Amino acid sequence: EPEVTQTPSHQVTQMGQEVILRCVPISNHLYFYWYRQILGQKVEFLVSFYNNEISEKSEIFDDQFSVERPDGSNFTLKIRSTKLEDSAMYFCASSEYRAVNQPQHFGDGTRLSIL
Amino acid sequence: GQQVMQIPQYQHVQEGEDFTTYCNSSTTLSNIQWYKQRPGGHPVFLIQLVKSGEVKKQKRLTFQFGEAKKNSSLHITATQTTDVGTYFCAGLSNFGNEKLTFGTGTRLTIIP
Repeated sequence: EPEVTQTPSHQVTQMGQEVILRCVPISNHLYFYWYRQILGQKVEFLVSFYNNEISEKSEIFDDQFSVERPDGSNFTLKIRSTKLEDSAMYFCASSEYRAVNQPQHFGDGTRLSIL
Repeated sequence: GQQVMQIPQYQHVQEGEDFTTYCNSSTTLSNIQWYKQRPGGHPVFLIQLVKSGEVKKQKRLTFQFGEAKKNSSLHITATQTTDVGTYFCAGLSNFGNEKLTFGTGTRLTIIP
């Protein structure tokens, strides 16, 4: 069964540094998402992406965050200047059609640790 | 903003007992999805409910969507050790909205 893949599985970064988290969505999916989950807490929506542009973002997704689909397969999340509170598990997800009609398929996540 | 709360936060049950988690949204939902997250894992889609009052079953799991489309429940009959994990509801507030708001989750542990 096709899967969403994320790299790296664990990223350790110094506070203030830039970090890029990478995702390869399922190949025929058109909608892409990033979520974060602080340890022991709920999954929080960050951003949705369709047709090479952001379709929706949450209040968490401020100017320090950006997303990009640099080629036909990768979908990246960049945090420009990381803060301690950015430490969390970041999940990428994709769906074949828009969220209202479709289940979202999640990757295994990237654990981001900010020192 | 939209908030989705779940109760209980934790539930410990003996294997074979039933389990129920309740989900309540502060706003009316267009649909609701349920996900399961095993410890150390990622959310895995279980089901989607769209219609007011809808009830769906998957083997030992029964899902309900409230008449007002503001609440939902998941009931597991005769729990097994494989049911261990955190169960999240996740709602979409209206059509055209891409933001899936996850509930606070109910963590289920099974006592063998």
